[in-house]
Amino acid sequence: SQQGEEDPQALSIQEGENATMNCSYKTSINNLQWYRQNSGRGLVHLILIRSNEREKHSGRLRVTLDTSKKSSSLLITASRAADTASYFCATDEGNNNDMRFGAGTRLTVKP
Amino acid sequence: SQTIHQWPATLVQPVGSPLSLECTVEGTSNPNLYWYRQAAGRGLQLLFYSVGIGQISSEVPQNLSASRPQDRQFILSSKKLLLSDSGFYLCAWSYLGGTGYTFGSGTRLTVV
Repeated sequence: SQQGEEDPQALSIQEGENATMNCSYKTSINNLQWYRQNSGRGLVHLILIRSNEREKHSGRLRVTLDTSKKSSSLLITASRAADTASYFCATDEGNNNDMRFGAGTRLTVKP
Repeated sequence: SQTIHQWPATLVQPVGSPLSLECTVEGTSNPNLYWYRQAAGRGLQLLFYSVGIGQISSEVPQNLSASRPQDRQFILSSKKLLLSDSGFYLCAWSYLGGTGYTFGSGTRLTVV
């Protein structure tokens, strides 16, 4: 069963703009992760944020977590055409043994 | 460094035929292993996960099965494929409480 739900389902922006994707989940978690998937490829881990963290940065990526609202956001700043991909959030439902993925946000960055 | 291998990359199989997809991990020991399926344009559905040799947890009732005959080998099988088994199958590994999953490159299965 899915745990996270990403919003929006699709996002199209111009190169240089910022892209914000949101994720909501239902149960308590130990951590939340964001992944990227290029078309027809495997997923690549981007960033992990633990339940006791509120914000995390990695290069042009900024992730926030609000456990009271059971939501997270992924911000990509100064987007590039190469950022075009699908982005997924995943949560562990508190058991650490398996991650549940949302349906993803398909980001298109136009050059 | 750790690597994960998944093969084949693409597979076209007739309805009713058997299936065997293999995933192996190198450079680590006692990983958690996972099989996910992704329908076109959709998210990932967890099929099976394993925390050790011979230990398989199934998430979705279906005609698929999984086995872990060795510590770093995870196999997805079916005795008779259905049309609905078509999809993109992804293997992944992680450590319990670790920093994230590492995915294989996936197998695109088309059942015809």
